[in-house]
Amino acid sequence: GEDVEQSLFLSVREGDSSVINCTYTDSSSTYLYWYKQEPGAGLQLLTYIFSNMDMKQDQRLTVLLNKKDKHLSLRIADTQTGDSAIYFCAEKRSSASKIIFGSGTRLSIRP
Amino acid sequence: DVKVTQSSRYLVKRTGEKVFLECVQDMDHENMFWYRQDPGLGLRLIYFSYDVKMKEKGDIPEGYSVSREKKERFSLILESASTNQTSMYLCASSRTGTGSHQPQHFGDGTRLSIL
Repeated sequence: GEDVEQSLFLSVREGDSSVINCTYTDSSSTYLYWYKQEPGAGLQLLTYIFSNMDMKQDQRLTVLLNKKDKHLSLRIADTQTGDSAIYFCAEKRSSASKIIFGSGTRLSIRP
Repeated sequence: DVKVTQSSRYLVKRTGEKVFLECVQDMDHENMFWYRQDPGLGLRLIYFSYDVKMKEKGDIPEGYSVSREKKERFSLILESASTNQTSMYLCASSRTGTGSHQPQHFGDGTRLSIL
């Protein structure tokens, strides 16, 4: 199928690390993205990784890509209340300008 | 920074009305997209456009049409609004480049309620 799959919910304690997982289907995907959506707002591009990379780190964010398993993860270190949002995984296939989005993971932070 | 502006944050219309949702981007992007977002379903692509006067159906085009008369503006039209079109509508734009990093940039969304 064409689905990009994510779990719907994740709850973590403030200060812990959050790991949001995603699986995609197309091995020809060139770029994989993580978007963040805060309540009542549009999607904001957080980070991306090119398909020939295994890992990308940007401050508190670490993206890991396992091409063999078509698995992408986003790790947020030292999770804060401001990280509460819906996180969307997305893949861009080499043949198109379209991006395929997952259904989003709602991250909630508990004290 | 790329700016994608949707004309309304909230809109309430009645069943059977013709509804226009407007989107403008200021970065001279070739591609523009309309999505709807519903809980548990993520983003579903309604229509997209690669160029002025060009349009392509997305995954759920039924009940919608679009217009792209100018490069910076992409309009979504609900020909005869129905209650199942109550949703959050998101517009996005991107530069053309099938093999390069060209992410989509999003507006803040329009929450549309059909009564």
